Amino acid sequence: AAGVIQSPRHLIKEKRETATLKCYPIPRHDTVYWYQQGPGQDPQFLISFYEKMQSDKGSIPDRFSAQQFSDYHSELNMSSLELGDSALYFCASSYRELNEQFFGPGTRLTVL
Amino acid sequence: SQKIEQNSEALNIQEGKTATLTCNYTNYSPAYLQWYRQDPGRGPVFLLLIRENEKEKRKERLKVTFDTTLKQSLFHITASQPADSATYLCALSVLYNTDKLIFGTGTRLQVFP
Repeated sequence: AAGVIQSPRHLIKEKRETATLKCYPIPRHDTVYWYQQGPGQDPQFLISFYEKMQSDKGSIPDRFSAQQFSDYHSELNMSSLELGDSALYFCASSYRELNEQFFGPGTRLTVL
Repeated sequence: SQKIEQNSEALNIQEGKTATLTCNYTNYSPAYLQWYRQDPGRGPVFLLLIRENEKEKRKERLKVTFDTTLKQSLFHITASQPADSATYLCALSVLYNTDKLIFGTGTRLQVFP
């Protein structure tokens, strides 16, 4: 069965640089979520999209933005990167009526 | 403040025994609660979902209970196997059809032969 695809899997950036993370949800899923997981921490919700419209927002810094495109893939854009942004970034998708979320393999971002 | 707490220490059990993991929450009224498994460096994998009006749910060797009075969920793995070793996360959704999951702190389970 198709799973959530994320790219890249690993990303190394310098402070103050910009990063773009991509997510391809499971076909026919109508909702996409982004989570950030720091070392030894639980995943923290960043933002979500339902049918290409932003549906909820969590503790996402103003330096981050995200969107969902017509083909349902989503991108998380991160600017002015800081050392503290180093984390695993997960994308998840769901069919809203069923509620359970399916997570991708994550992008490990390292900011030097 | 709102909190979701799980067994703070790692849980070590012998193969074949039943593992019981606890999830306690305060100041939430969840519509439903989910359990996920996470292996190091990988994304969480959905296991079970239980709604506020359900007491118990089962799936193969897994069982979850939900007590909204005690504000607690218990997650059981029967006949545990070394392959069950992982971190288990509980997660709440506060409203039906809400977007975000609020995760607990996770419990690391180690099943030894």
